[in-house]
Amino acid sequence: GNSVTQMEGPVTLSEEAFLTINCTYTATGYPSLFWYVQYPGEGLQLLLKATKADDKGSNKGFEATYRKETTSFHLEKGSVQVSDSAVYFCALITNSGYALNFGKGTSLLVTP
Amino acid sequence: DTAVSQTPKYLVTQMGNDKSIKCEQNLGHDTMYWYKQDSKKFLKIMFSYNNKELIINETVPNRFSPKSPDKAHLNLHINSLELGDSAVYFCASSHHDRGTEAFFGQGTRLTVV
Repeated sequence: GNSVTQMEGPVTLSEEAFLTINCTYTATGYPSLFWYVQYPGEGLQLLLKATKADDKGSNKGFEATYRKETTSFHLEKGSVQVSDSAVYFCALITNSGYALNFGKGTSLLVTP
Repeated sequence: DTAVSQTPKYLVTQMGNDKSIKCEQNLGHDTMYWYKQDSKKFLKIMFSYNNKELIINETVPNRFSPKSPDKAHLNLHINSLELGDSAVYFCASSHHDRGTEAFFGQGTRLTVV
């Protein structure tokens, strides 16, 4: 079956630190990959996506590259801000699937 | 304009009651979903509808019954509420097409007391 594995949180960083949140997946076929972000008390928002191998998704300073050889889609940001504090979810959907499969989420806390 | 809207945002009710959560999307999507998020933030798919047809029905108690009167609406009715049903329920929608993302509502926080 399809599944997504994310690094366990919580992750606590100081402002301007470098962020990496690891995400690996197993899937049949060729999935599309997503990172969603959930700010406190809110719903999920799409942060970035990649639909084929070697694609790089980017948004708001965040980046992730679809690596088929390592089945990974790690999220990175060069300099985090306090406002980046949120829960980050890695997700996939296959071309025959009808729902996103989510990882368990990684909570990020950025301190001033 | 709210793309995916669900009501109510908060719902506090007693055990044994029956309640409904409504969801509407104005994005013209053909697929709608209900997800449950537990206290550890884990998101689990409950149901998926494509063009009003039930596609995914995960191992959810049959006290939960989704209803899709048209492609823009997917409501969730819950009978005989239990304490363990307390969670945040998210509605979402998408085009059933590889690579397109799902858009989520703001969530309904259900508390069963």
